[in-house]
Amino acid sequence: DADVTQTPRNRITKTGKRIMLECSQTKGHDRMYWYRQDPGLGLRLIYYSFDVKDINKGEISDGYSVSRQAQAKFSLSLESAIPNQTALYFCATIGGVGDNEQFFGPGTRLTVL
Amino acid sequence: QKEVEQNSGPLSVPEGAIASLNCTYSDRVSQSFFWYRQYSGKSPELIMSIYSNGDKEDGRFTAQLNKASQYVSLLIRDSQPSDSATYLCAVIGSGGGADGLTFGKGTHLIIQP
Repeated sequence: DADVTQTPRNRITKTGKRIMLECSQTKGHDRMYWYRQDPGLGLRLIYYSFDVKDINKGEISDGYSVSRQAQAKFSLSLESAIPNQTALYFCATIGGVGDNEQFFGPGTRLTVL
Repeated sequence: QKEVEQNSGPLSVPEGAIASLNCTYSDRVSQSFFWYRQYSGKSPELIMSIYSNGDKEDGRFTAQLNKASQYVSLLIRDSQPSDSATYLCAVIGSGGGADGLTFGKGTHLIIQP
């Protein structure tokens, strides 16, 4: 099994729709992160979580919400999608000595029309 | 606001030569530094981590850190066409992994056969 899985891998939706992106990990890491990547802008942090009771906003959290259902699961929701949320979304886990265990999911390509 | 700067490229290097990628960061108390390789449409893959001043070698890769100059670099020796990718630099600040990784926008590297 892959270390970090994301579903769906691709999604096309319409403006105003609610959409959920799901992430699961098998690494046993407590820390999980959601990033979005836009051409020319690199990866930017949306939300992060240290455990099921600890959720924190990142650099660009407006328009997004998250849920940490279990240590292994971290979901990202767009309550009312808008076109500028079209991007590639990555889930990641970090752990290990010096944070040198880092695993990224395969990404979800989201298009909002 | 922490910033990580990279030249976006493209950086074109002949096969077999040394590719040199550079990164500067703004947070003087950053503790951990990472280099990733990302192929188009794929997730980032961690290839090097460095925590103290000096050089760290792993196979064909060497990471160099100079905290006084707030500068980290990646050297790729004996460059191969398969090294053609975007290379991302990221840092973790003084809070450890508490607020995740701050990424640069990446350098697009092209290895010319």
